[in-house]
Amino acid sequence: EIVLTQSPATLSLSPGERASLSCRASQSINDQLAWYQQKPGQAPRLLIYDASHRATDIPARFSGSGSGTDFTLTISSLEPEDFAVYYCQQRSNWPPITFGQGTRLEIK
Amino acid sequence: EVQLVESGGGLVQPGGSLRLSCAASGFSFSSFAMSWVRQAPGKGLEWVSGITGSGTKTYYADSVKGRFSISRDNSKNTLYLQVNSLRAEDTALYHCAFGGYRDGNNVRYFDYWGQGTLVTVSS
Repeated sequence: EIVLTQSPATLSLSPGERASLSCRASQSINDQLAWYQQKPGQAPRLLIYDASHRATDIPARFSGSGSGTDFTLTISSLEPEDFAVYYCQQRSNWPPITFGQGTRLEIK
Repeated sequence: EVQLVESGGGLVQPGGSLRLSCAASGFSFSSFAMSWVRQAPGKGLEWVSGITGSGTKTYYADSVKGRFSISRDNSKNTLYLQVNSLRAEDTALYHCAFGGYRDGNNVRYFDYWGQGTLVTVSS
């Protein structure tokens, strides 16, 4: 099973700042990685798929990069609505599909 | 508009069973692989099971293999998850989800999610 490790666990930033969230895979997953945003009481929302492709209707301030084992989600300038929990997910070597444990992005 | 509506959750004793349902609308249900993803209270996401559009291939996480069974009725546009031999650690909100036209009959990523049905395992 591929283990995804996200860091940091919590990131405290202010609106307008740049956020960088990391996801590291226990073995190479090529580019088969997605990022999701989840707000309290809501289902997750797909942001990025195949490591760097924005999903439908996702703002351009969200970008994904990386391949192999190291991936980054970047939010170029934080908006108030971006404070949430973010998960990465892989499907390279499956089953199982696996998720990271999440990064909480909170307002500083 | 794509809609996924789960039902069938509830409070069940350890060792008990439930059948979860996911009613789908707004898309050609039989054309898409579907999955169940769960989230324990205050915890992260865990993929549980997946099934191809025709229902001929099924996939499971090790944590539920042999206890859970995924199926679908394409004539009713409904996805099911039979959950047996329930344990306290199965307590979670169970979502159905799928990837849409990009992924088609492959289980890859999850663009569309239902709001979930809560399963609570407790004596």
